[in-house]
Order: sequence, then C-alpha cells, then structure tokens
Amino acid sequence: KNEVEQSPQNLTAQEGEFITINCSYSVGISALHWLQQHPGGGIVSLFMLSSGKKKHGRLIATINIQEKHSSLHITASHPRDSAVYICAVRPPNYGGSQGNLIFGKGTKLSVKP
Amino acid sequence: DAGVTQSPTHLIKTRGQQVTLRCSPKSGHDTVSWYQQALGQGPQFIFQYYEEEERQRGNFPDRFSGHQFPNYSSELNVNALLLGDSALYLCASTWTSGGWGTDTQYFGPGTRLTVL
Repeated sequence: KNEVEQSPQNLTAQEGEFITINCSYSVGISALHWLQQHPGGGIVSLFMLSSGKKKHGRLIATINIQEKHSSLHITASHPRDSAVYICAVRPPNYGGSQGNLIFGKGTKLSVKP
Repeated sequence: DAGVTQSPTHLIKTRGQQVTLRCSPKSGHDTVSWYQQALGQGPQFIFQYYEEEERQRGNFPDRFSGHQFPNYSSELNVNALLLGDSALYLCASTWTSGGWGTDTQYFGPGTRLTVL
C-alpha cells in the first residue's frame, strides 16, 4: 500500500463546477504539499500545510492531522485548471536535514468548457 | 530572479550508456533534491544534496549518483542505463541553512530521458 493515496485518479468536470481532490497518508509528517503539474512536466507548488486551511484565489486546501487526510478544492473551475494535481508529504526533519517528499500518484483533472 | 533550471530538456540514450543531467537551483537556495517520475506515476525521491554531500537517499541503486558543486548546482549521473530508467527527472531546490530554512521546494521543468 502506498504511503500517500489520492482519489480520484481521474476527474472530468464541466466549467464552473466545484472540484474536490482527496489525499490520505499513512506516515507521520511535518508538512503536506499540494502541487500542480502541467503537460510537459513543470511542477508548481500550490500550498504547503501543516494544519488547518489555506486559500489562494479559487483554490482551498485543508488538512486534518488526526485523520491523516487533506483535500484540495477548486471553486468555479475553468479549463485552464486542467492539470495533474499531486499531494506530497514531508516526513519530520532529522538532525537539521530537510526530509524528502513522498508523492501520491496524482489526480488528472480535465475541465471541459 | 531565475527559478530552478535543468539541462538538457530532452535526452535520448541507448541501453548501457551513461548520462549526466544538470540542475541549477533557485537563487539563494542551498539544497537540491532529485526525483524520478515514470509515466503516469508520482515522482520518486532519488537523493538530496546539501553542503556538497549526499544527505538523504531514496531506494535507488548505486548506478544513480550525484554531485553538488560549491555554487550549489548539482548533477545526476546514471550509469549502465536500462530501459526502465526512461522517465522525467525533476530537480527541486530549497533553502536548508542548518535546518532552519524554508520547507517549500521549487521544481525545475525536468529532463525527459528516453532509453532505447
């Protein structure tokens, strides 16, 4: 079983719909990241969370540390939101060295006009 | 301010050959991590360099090696290439500075390696 599981794997939505992508993890973490990857490979960091909720424009990310679960919401979705959304967790730091990221497999989102 | 840059963008090699990929971190960053992303999969951590030393390593064979230079740029070397090494190789940088740096990683555009 993967340490980071995302659902759904694929998601197709109509423009304007509210979208939710879920992430569950089974390891202790110091932070959780939501990343966006467009065709061609470039990865953009959307959020880094260690508790609560963050909002940036139409994007909202929440995390429940006790339940080891995070969600990424997109309000008023648009075709330009089409991308792969990846959840990644960072294990706790060890001796001052930044822990590496453990990635989920990603959720491929396609927003139709 | 240039972000993370990687070269080359694309590379085609044959089995058994060796390859070197390069990464320049974002200005002010001192830590470089390398990831391998197979098609349809999430990235897998290869290793991380800080202060010119390999600080952490994922589950990759010794054919994968790296280096960090005094200017914080980094190389990833893969020897004896296998077909299964075909992937997108991502470099990410951050600022560690003895453990008190930022937790946010900035990713480069990646190098697409094809092994024939």
